Amino acid sequence: GAVVSQHPSRVICKSGTSVKIECRSLDFQATTMFWYRQFPKKSLMLMATSNEGSKATYEQGVEKDKFLINHASLTLSTLTVTSAHPEDSSFYICSASLSGLAGDWETQYFGPGTRLLVL
Amino acid sequence: ELKVEQNPLFLSMQEGKNYTIYCNYSTTSDRLYWYRQDPGKSLESLFVLLSNGAVKQEGRLMASLDTKARLSTLHITAAVHDLSATYFCAVDRYSGGGADGLTFGKGTHLIIQP
Repeated sequence: GAVVSQHPSRVICKSGTSVKIECRSLDFQATTMFWYRQFPKKSLMLMATSNEGSKATYEQGVEKDKFLINHASLTLSTLTVTSAHPEDSSFYICSASLSGLAGDWETQYFGPGTRLLVL
Repeated sequence: ELKVEQNPLFLSMQEGKNYTIYCNYSTTSDRLYWYRQDPGKSLESLFVLLSNGAVKQEGRLMASLDTKARLSTLHITAAVHDLSATYFCAVDRYSGGGADGLTFGKGTHLIIQP
C-alpha cells in the first residue's frame, strides 16, 4: 500500500524560530499533496494544497507568509512554520492522493503527523 | 461553503451491540471518505465511497452513501473493544475528477466497553 512519511514526528521549538516539516511519498509519485492541522480533540482543517512545480494554494485565513510550502519534487513537500508562536502549536498532517491507480482511486493517504510545540 | 456534520460526536457502547454513525454534507460531491484515528496517531483510511448507493464492508464496519440525501452512514456490527477510536467522515470539495483537499466532520469519539 501507499506510504506517506513525515519528519520530524515531534518538535519543540522556541517562540520566534522557524520549523520545517517534510512530507514524503515513499512508493509513489504525488503531484499534489495537502497540509492539514489538527488541534487537540478537534477535527482536521485543510491549510493548503501543495502542487509540484507551482505555488501552493492556501485556504482562507491561512497566512501564506507564515506557513511556507515548497513542493520540490514529486515525492517531497515541505511546510515551514516561520516565526513560530505558541498558538502555532498543533498536530500537522500531510496527505497525498493516489489519483488514477486502479483499485485505489482517489484515496488520500495520510502521513503519521508532526506534533509541534512552541514554547 | 461545504459543511460536513457528523453525529453523534460521542458514543459509548457495549461490546456486541450495533450502532450507526451519520454523516451529512451540504453540497454535491463525488467522493465521501471514512477515516479512523487512534489517540496520538494519524488517520487510517477505511472507505472511499464514489457513487450513489455505494456500500462497502470491511469486517464489522459497513459504510454506505446516498448522494441524493447527502448522507453517509458507518454501521458497526457486534462491536468489539478494538474498534474504539475516533471516526471521521470527509468530503472532497471538487466534483469531476482530480485530487482536492478534504473537508472533515468533527469526528465521532467511539468508546466500546467490555
